[in-house]
Amino acid sequence: NAGVMQNPRHLVRRRGQEARLRCSPMKGHSHVYWYRQLPEEGLKFMVYLQKENIIDESGMPKERFSAEFPKEGPSILRIQQVVRGDSAAYFCASSPPDGGREKLFFGSGTQLSVL
Amino acid sequence: KQEVTQIPAALSVPEGENLVLNCSFTDSAIYNLQWFRQDPGKGLTSLLLIQSSQREQTSGRLNASLDKSSGRSTLYIAASQPGDSATYLCAVETSGSRLTFGEGTQLTVNP
Repeated sequence: NAGVMQNPRHLVRRRGQEARLRCSPMKGHSHVYWYRQLPEEGLKFMVYLQKENIIDESGMPKERFSAEFPKEGPSILRIQQVVRGDSAAYFCASSPPDGGREKLFFGSGTQLSVL
Repeated sequence: KQEVTQIPAALSVPEGENLVLNCSFTDSAIYNLQWFRQDPGKGLTSLLLIQSSQREQTSGRLNASLDKSSGRSTLYIAASQPGDSATYLCAVETSGSRLTFGEGTQLTVNP
């Protein structure tokens, strides 16, 4: 049973380009969470999604960032027109259909570097 | 707004020593508290989860306690080993299944 899979592991973009980060939850999990870890800072919640629904996006920056979790396929975190301040590790986590109150399972993260 | 603080920020101990990591949170209205381990270049591994109604959880050499009323948790590691070297993160779950993390304690266990 594969864990939470994130790809790519490392992503390099130039300022102004788009970054697309993918997350495949654990088998049987239908809840996905995205967190961002800026250099020298703790992890910060970004967004919580269920299949085809955004449940809580209160941690998402107002502009340039979007997330989706389609009926088929992985969850995507999309960052348009990246800036250097977007450089960070982006982690995805998943949990089973009965919701939270349980351990979250995290992926290994995508390290985004903006040149 | 929930804030989570971890003390110390870094800790270096000789192998075999027992140690305690501290976590405090400002809002006691939590569902649970988790301790995670983060290794460089890797994801987070959940070590222990304490529900708000519980006082402690144990797994092997690890013991985590929770005092919800005072907003504190401790992670006790017995007989530390070099393989325990990692960053330990404390996180509390509040409404909406979102976790608020502390900034972590970077532990080094020297052989």
